Amino acid sequence: GQNIDQPTEMTATEGAIVQINCTYQTSGFNGLFWYQQHAGEAPTFLSYNVLDGLEEKGRFSSFLSRSKGYSYLLLKELQMKDSASYLCAVRDSNYQLIWGAGTKLIIKP
Amino acid sequence: NAGVTQTPKFRVLKTGQSMTLLCAQDMNHEYMYWYRQDPGMGLRLIHYSVGEGTTAKGEVPDGYNVSRLKKQNFLLGLESAAPSQTSVYFCASSQGEDSRPQHFGDGTRLSIL
Repeated sequence: GQNIDQPTEMTATEGAIVQINCTYQTSGFNGLFWYQQHAGEAPTFLSYNVLDGLEEKGRFSSFLSRSKGYSYLLLKELQMKDSASYLCAVRDSNYQLIWGAGTKLIIKP
Repeated sequence: NAGVTQTPKFRVLKTGQSMTLLCAQDMNHEYMYWYRQDPGMGLRLIHYSVGEGTTAKGEVPDGYNVSRLKKQNFLLGLESAAPSQTSVYFCASSQGEDSRPQHFGDGTRLSIL
């Protein structure tokens, strides 16, 4: 079967750095997406990786290792508004997105 | 900038009732999707469409039907609602199956009693 694993919940301090990990086992790989979802709202796109390495976008970076089936989302200079769930999704061989259950990130002052 | 619009936002149904969830996008996207999101689980694909007049089954299609008569609209129907269909339903659209992301509506919170 296909599986995306993420920690259920993480806590971090305002101004700090946090890394959210995602491991996947899917039938094929055609890219990995990270989305942010605030409680009661729609998921919004953060980043996309298809090749190994680091993609940086302001305070957010995403890393991919295809050989290890592993990605992480790195959030720097955390702000209270970063409190949200972070969803990892992998596009499989059928070009369908397989979604992880999400990591709820709690930011404390 | 409407993006993806879902109606209604909330609905309570009794078991056995039927209803249709509406999704409209104004980005001229070819692909549209219906997902459900349940606590502790990832988004699960119900049905999707790769263009006007086409539909296909996703991971959890049973109990649902869809139609894409116009490019901008994607309808999700529940013929005979069951309590197991209590969920948050999200519609999404994208321009293609590549690096371009899916854009989501705000969701429909559906309770079946």
